[in-house]
Amino acid sequence: EDQVTQSPEALRLQEGESSSLNCSYTVSGLRGLFWYRQDPGKGPEFLFTLYSAGEEKEKERLKATLTKKESFLHITAPKPEDSATYLCAARAAGNKLTFGGGTRVLVKP
Amino acid sequence: DTGVSQDPRHKITKRGQNVTFRCDPISEHNRLYWYRQTLGQGPEFLTYFQNEAQLEKSRLLSDRFSAERPKGSFSTLEIQRTEQGDSAMYLCASSSYFTGPANTGELFFGEGSRLTVL
Repeated sequence: EDQVTQSPEALRLQEGESSSLNCSYTVSGLRGLFWYRQDPGKGPEFLFTLYSAGEEKEKERLKATLTKKESFLHITAPKPEDSATYLCAARAAGNKLTFGGGTRVLVKP
Repeated sequence: DTGVSQDPRHKITKRGQNVTFRCDPISEHNRLYWYRQTLGQGPEFLTYFQNEAQLEKSRLLSDRFSAERPKGSFSTLEIQRTEQGDSAMYLCASSSYFTGPANTGELFFGEGSRLTVL
């Protein structure tokens, strides 16, 4: 069965304090690794798709990387508006995404 | 606003009652997905429609759950004989042929319908 595990569950950062979130996956025949951001009371919002080991994607202060067993979301010099839950998801066959439990990030000014 | 719309946003019901949620996808999107999310967890896949055809359904979905998309536009998710374990946020998402998991990976989620079963 496909499995996605995220760590840590929660992360408290000072503004400007860079950090990384981990997403490890056990998926038979990975066809895509996705990162989403979710604000309280809202649906998830798409950030990145990664397809193969070694691939990197960047958007503002966020950079996602992928290896054969895990993905990292690096947050560089975060700001309070980066506070959210970050979800990763994996896709094998079909159109189903398997999500991890998320990492709740709080950035304090 | 042309995003994904879900109704109602919040439903409180008693155990054993039936509830129905509605999802209106982005108008040009032909693909629609239902997910369920409990507090502190990530979304869990329930089912997927392409136009009016239900093409994928989670094995975890009990017989009490049924989803329809009769004309390939809006969709409904019905839960019969609700149980306290059904309490969750029910998320709907849509995508076009060019987005979605098999392409760019982008799903457009609504804000969800929160179900509380007493």
